[in-house]
Amino acid sequence: GIQVEQSPPDLILQEGANSTLRCNFSDSVNNLQWFHQNPWGQLINLFYIPSGTKQNGRLSATTVATERYSLLYISSSQTTDSGVYFCAVEPPDSWGKFQFGAGTQVVVTP
Amino acid sequence: GAVVSQHPSWVICKSGTSVKIECRSLDFQATTMFWYRQFPKQSLMLMATSNEGSKATYEQGVEKDKFLINHASLTLSTLTVTSAHPEDSSFYICSARGYLGLAGLETQYFGPGTRLLVL
Repeated sequence: GIQVEQSPPDLILQEGANSTLRCNFSDSVNNLQWFHQNPWGQLINLFYIPSGTKQNGRLSATTVATERYSLLYISSSQTTDSGVYFCAVEPPDSWGKFQFGAGTQVVVTP
Repeated sequence: GAVVSQHPSWVICKSGTSVKIECRSLDFQATTMFWYRQFPKQSLMLMATSNEGSKATYEQGVEKDKFLINHASLTLSTLTVTSAHPEDSSFYICSARGYLGLAGLETQYFGPGTRLLVL
């Protein structure tokens, strides 16, 4: 099956800093999503981004499907950005069955 | 925008009881719903796929008699954990896929999750 690798596994940021999270995948995909799981466990949809670039406030994402990677940018980080960020991909032969990466644990300190 | 909701958001139950978790799609009709499970400090793993009006299909290693899934309408799917035991304690997340808006854009959204603790 498809492999989804996220890096770094852990990230500690000071409030106000910028960061980039990466998601590599081993094969072509139909779709890719980014999620934020907050410290209370709630999963929040961030981006539905099979290709191209999208922005939502301080967050933006870019997927380069031909090179099999996606990046999530967090600018001017805030303590509320803490949590685990997951990347999930939908393989072409697995309609709707997203494969999740292991996640990046982000801690933003005041 | 389209939202997927889950109810309850968390539940504590005694060992041996059954627990029902609801997953609803708002603003769109979900032809297919997916159920995922997340153990502590781990990623999400797919448990089963359900299509409206038909039986669910389960991933390898998931007990279908333990995790009953009903997808009776285009906006509601339920997961029932039967005779729950402490090892069933986990975070359960649903995902709904369907066609959104007049343009019929196919989309898939994930719910916020339900935390189950079995004592």
